Order: sequence, then structure tokens, then C-alpha cells
Amino acid sequence: SQTIHQWPATLVQPVGSPLSLECTVEGTSNPNLYWYRQAAGRGLQLLFYSVGIGQISSEVPQNLSASRPQDRQFILSSKKLLLSDSGFYLCAWSPETYGYTFGSGTRLTVV
Amino acid sequence: QKEVEQNSGPLSVPEGAIASLNCTYSDRVSQSFFWYRQYSGKSPELIMSIYSNGDKEDGRFTAQLNKASQYVSLLIRDSQPSDSATYLCAVNSSGGSYIPTFGRGTSLIVHP
Repeated sequence: SQTIHQWPATLVQPVGSPLSLECTVEGTSNPNLYWYRQAAGRGLQLLFYSVGIGQISSEVPQNLSASRPQDRQFILSSKKLLLSDSGFYLCAWSPETYGYTFGSGTRLTVV
Repeated sequence: QKEVEQNSGPLSVPEGAIASLNCTYSDRVSQSFFWYRQYSGKSPELIMSIYSNGDKEDGRFTAQLNKASQYVSLLIRDSQPSDSATYLCAVNSSGGSYIPTFGRGTSLIVHP
């Protein structure tokens, strides 16, 4: 069966510090991978998606970036965090039209 | 712009009642419809998917789709306090993109 791992679960970072969140998927190959952010009281905001190694599409221009160095690994990064980057970050994968499986999420607080 | 609308709630129902959650969407060519449950502080979990008009039942959950009226609903029978969560509606359009548009969710409270 397929599983998705996301870490860390919580993170408190100062403004201006770098960020690296990692997501890996097991039990499938060439998955579609997604990064979402959910701010307090708001809906899910798609940040990046990837349909293959090295293929990244950005939905929202901001100081975040994403990379897919391996088939089942998706990384979300920032060189300098802003206060507005605080939120609940979710990695997800999907077998095309069959809905998402989300990771357990990372709650990021920028202070 | 594709939109998915949900009443934010909270929807409060007594234990044992039927909870009815509704969702409307704007893109007439939408093909796939999903309901996710999100407990407070947790990530969303896919609970139902529906692709054709009519009803789809899975245990206590029934998804209903009416493409002509552009709405999809989720019924929860015999509601339990453990069903208290936010329910997100998501809609995929056709055309090769598998990225759904999410509603903001409806908060459901089931009180004993």
C-alpha cells in the first residue's frame, strides 16, 4: 500500500531563517506530488505541484521554492522566511483523478 | 475562475441525526468530486469520491451529485460526536489537469 511521510511535524523558525520541508511517498512510482498551505481560518492554497522528477509548477509567486530530486521525494524550501509564511503545510500525492492522500502536515510558526 | 462554495457553518446536529453538507461549483465541465474530513489540527482525509450523477453510499456516508444543478452533497447518517470535523469539498475539472479546486469547508459539530 502507498504511504506518504512528511516531516517535521512542528517547526518554529525566526524571520529571515531558511526552511526545508521534506515529503516522501512509498509504494508507488511517478506520483503527482503537491505542496499546499493552510493558513489559520483559511482554505487550502496550492503552492507547487510536480508530475515528475525535476518538473515543478508554481501556483503562487512568493519566497518559497520546491524541488523534486527523486521520483518519490518532494522538498519545499525558502531562503528567508517571512512572518506571513506561518501556516500548516501539507504534502499530498494523487493517482491522477482519484483524489489526494495528504501527509500528516507541518505546522510552521515564524517568529 | 473556478469556484467551489460551502457554507462555513458551524452546522450543529444532535447525535444520531442526519448531517447534510452541501457544496456548489461553478465549472460546468467538472468531472470528479471529493469529500475530505479534517479534524482540528490534522491533515484532510479523503472519505468519499463521486463521478456520476446520483447517490453513492459507503457505510454511514452518502455522496449525492447533481451535475445539472452543479451541486454535490454529503449525508452522514446516525451522526456521532466523532464525526465533528471540518468537511472539505473538492472538484476536478476535465482537460488533463488533476488539480482540484477546494472549498473552504463546513464545520460540523455533533453534540451528545
